[in-house]
Amino acid sequence: TQLLEQSPQFLSIQEGENLTVYCNSSSVFSSLQWYRQEPGEGPVLLVTVVTGGEVKKLKRLTFQFGDARKDSSLHITAAQPGDTGLYLCAGDTGGFKTIFGAGTRLFVKA
Amino acid sequence: EAGVAQSPRYKIIEKRQSVAFWCNPISGHATLYWYQQILGQGPKLLIQFQNNGVVDDSQLPKDRFSAERLKGVDSTLKIQPAKLEDSAVYLCASSRGPRLEQYFGPGTRLTVT
Repeated sequence: TQLLEQSPQFLSIQEGENLTVYCNSSSVFSSLQWYRQEPGEGPVLLVTVVTGGEVKKLKRLTFQFGDARKDSSLHITAAQPGDTGLYLCAGDTGGFKTIFGAGTRLFVKA
Repeated sequence: EAGVAQSPRYKIIEKRQSVAFWCNPISGHATLYWYQQILGQGPKLLIQFQNNGVVDDSQLPKDRFSAERLKGVDSTLKIQPAKLEDSAVYLCASSRGPRLEQYFGPGTRLTVT
């Protein structure tokens, strides 16, 4: 069974702090996606990484795909209350199925 | 471009009753997905359609869940009879093709009492 484990499960920080959340698996993925989900809404895609070692930046968010394509991290610089939400990673198994992790719930206090 | 539409947004039923959810994907998207998201967990794929054919339904509890996409556009997901553990948010997503970016609807929150 392919699993994606996300850590931490919950994170509460002050505005302006930096944070990193992780997504780990024992399986290799052909690509990995990061989504953000707000209460009452569906997930919204933030980024897709496909190459081992790849780093992508989206404003204050930095995404990295592990060299072996088994893990990924999301780093947020100077977090803002608007970053509050559930951050989900999802891996493409190379077939037609996408597997989601359980998510990291982030709360940024003003 | 209109997003993925789902209805109803909320539904409360008693166990052993039946319920149906409706999804209208983004126009032109060939692939449609139904996910179940239980509180505190990530979405779990129930069924994936490519046009009107089923690509993957390995995690669909077929004794009580059914889904169809007859004309390759709209889709319905039905639960009959519902159990308490079916309480969850049911998300519909669509994409231009398999393994391409998925766009999610707002979900239907089901509570089974």
